[in-house]
Amino acid sequence: AQSVTQLGSHVSVSEGALVLLRCNYSSSVPPYLFWYVQYPNQGLQLLLKYTTGATLVKGINGFEAEFKKSETSFHLTKPSAHMSDAAEYFCAVRGGNKLTFGTGTQLKVEL
Amino acid sequence: NAGVTQTPKFQVLKTGQSMTLQCAQDMNHNSMYWYRQDPGMGLRLIYYSASEGTTDKGEVPNGYNVSRLNKREFSLRLESAAPSQTSVYFCASTQRAGAHQETQYFGPGTRLLVL
Repeated sequence: AQSVTQLGSHVSVSEGALVLLRCNYSSSVPPYLFWYVQYPNQGLQLLLKYTTGATLVKGINGFEAEFKKSETSFHLTKPSAHMSDAAEYFCAVRGGNKLTFGTGTQLKVEL
Repeated sequence: NAGVTQTPKFQVLKTGQSMTLQCAQDMNHNSMYWYRQDPGMGLRLIYYSASEGTTDKGEVPNGYNVSRLNKREFSLRLESAAPSQTSVYFCASTQRAGAHQETQYFGPGTRLLVL
């Protein structure tokens, strides 16, 4: 069975600072990993995904994530936070027909 | 191309009432999903339909039923609503379940309050 753990339910950064959102996964097969973002009162939209190949994955809005098999991690980063990045972020792992989501990390960006 | 649409956006029910949440997608996707989102618990899968004519239980199916009406539409029914079903419900679709690289596309959600 697959699972993901997101460390930190709330993260606060200053505008212009590095964003780091942590995700660790557990999977019995090679994982397919996703990051989704949810803006207030909206559905989820895909930020980026790792399937195979390059372990550094670039997504929309300047976000990227690195798949590290040895650490079973898929942390999300952005070099410089913007106020518009304030949202909830979900890590997910695909297994069979289903996605399993983490519990989410709420990102707050302060002036 | 509207993507995934859900109706209604908001609903208030009394305990014991029934209702059906509607979902439709116009992307010609084969697979559709219903999730519920609760604070601190992420998204949990209620039911899914890998293809037209099939449905399967997810992680939290109790108290719900689903119908895959056709390839476009997948409805979620609460026969006798309970306060524990107060939640935000999301429908999603993907081209083909089991294709691990496939992205799921989400609707805007239905906010349900059961009193």
